[in-house]
Amino acid sequence: QKEVEQDPGPLSVPEGAIVSLNCTYSNSAFQYFMWYRQYSRKGPELLMYTYSSGNKEDGRFTAQVDKSSKYISLFIRDSQPSDSATYLCAMGSDSWGKFQFGAGTQVVVTP
Amino acid sequence: GAVVSQHPSRVICKSGTSVKIECRSLDFQATTMFWYRQFPKQSLMLMATSNEGSKATYEQGVEKDKFLINHASLTLSTLTVTSAHPEDSSFYICSARGTAGGYTFGSGTRLTVV
Repeated sequence: QKEVEQDPGPLSVPEGAIVSLNCTYSNSAFQYFMWYRQYSRKGPELLMYTYSSGNKEDGRFTAQVDKSSKYISLFIRDSQPSDSATYLCAMGSDSWGKFQFGAGTQVVVTP
Repeated sequence: GAVVSQHPSRVICKSGTSVKIECRSLDFQATTMFWYRQFPKQSLMLMATSNEGSKATYEQGVEKDKFLINHASLTLSTLTVTSAHPEDSSFYICSARGTAGGYTFGSGTRLTVV
């Protein structure tokens, strides 16, 4: 079993819809949770960064962490075609500084 | 915000030659650099972790003599793929951690070995 599970998609939504992404994990030591967006042939860029449980909102993006269920989510409101990309979840524990990445979910927002 | 400049963005080399990839932190000191490789439609796989002035720590299955990592300064880390072969063709990405915490990725290098 992988430490981080993420559905690779693709996930296709119409413009304006809410995109819902999630990851599950098995290592209870993870405390830092991140979502990255990666366009084709580019490096990942950080979207959201959350420590421990709770919600965090930034513009159209909302990240949720439920440590009791070992489940994290990213919601994108009012999706745009420019949101079409692969979204990677990543997580780690403070003590060792390495991340474990999910496989990435490809999102396609159609006009 | 923090920026990591990675060069080259794309390189094609002949089998048996060596290729050097550079990552520079432009406005912060990168105490730790992580090097990843990514195959098409797959996630990032950590290859090695390097701290400034120390030898890199390689993940299991990664040949340290083939993937040479140098982190000689707080703003520069290099990955050299030695005696490259077609199976080394991949997308290589660095990620830098600064003294204040947080991680910043480079833009990646697409290596094609022919």
